[in-house]
Amino acid sequence: QKEVEQNSGPLSVPEGAIASLNCTYSDRGSQSFFWYRQYSGKSPELIMFIYSNGDKEDGRFTAQLNKASQYVSLLIRDSQPSDSATYLCAVNKAGNQFYFGTGTSLTVIP
Amino acid sequence: EAQVTQNPRYLITVTGKKLTVTCSQNMNHEYMSWYRQDPGLGLRQIYYSMNVEVTDKGDVPEGYKVSRKEKRNFPLILESPSPNQTSLYFCASSAGFGYTFGSGTRLTVV
Repeated sequence: QKEVEQNSGPLSVPEGAIASLNCTYSDRGSQSFFWYRQYSGKSPELIMFIYSNGDKEDGRFTAQLNKASQYVSLLIRDSQPSDSATYLCAVNKAGNQFYFGTGTSLTVIP
Repeated sequence: EAQVTQNPRYLITVTGKKLTVTCSQNMNHEYMSWYRQDPGLGLRQIYYSMNVEVTDKGDVPEGYKVSRKEKRNFPLILESPSPNQTSLYFCASSAGFGYTFGSGTRLTVV
């Protein structure tokens, strides 16, 4: 069983819509959760992190964590073509050992 | 500018020829890590370090060595590279709230 699972997509949404990206993790002891964005040919960049159950908002981005269901999601409101990228979910289990999902490819159609 | 610098960006080498990929960060981060990224497998952690002289194996450490003699530097050493180590490598550092990634090193072993 993979530590972190994501639907690889591709996910396509029209410009201005809400994009919803999902991630599940296998270890209930996981402590913190991260969303990264990676443009083609570039390195991953951190968008948001979340530690506690519930929602965390930052601009157009909202991260949601449900530890009981071992589920993390990222909502992107008012999606823009510049949001087209691969989104990586990452989980920190202990110390600084991170596990990444394989990513979901998002395309925002103008 | 706060950054993680890794060199070289591109490297083609032959099987068995020892090589080192350098990594340096100027953010005084305690945590550093090396990842490899392969299509369909995503980002996998090779080694990580929680402080000077403290390193630990990640998910895929076989065939790699690291050292952390100074806080800012975390080189990745391939003593005897093999073709299955052809990949995109990322160095990353963290203060504990998610990693900042370098620009990547694309390694080809022939």
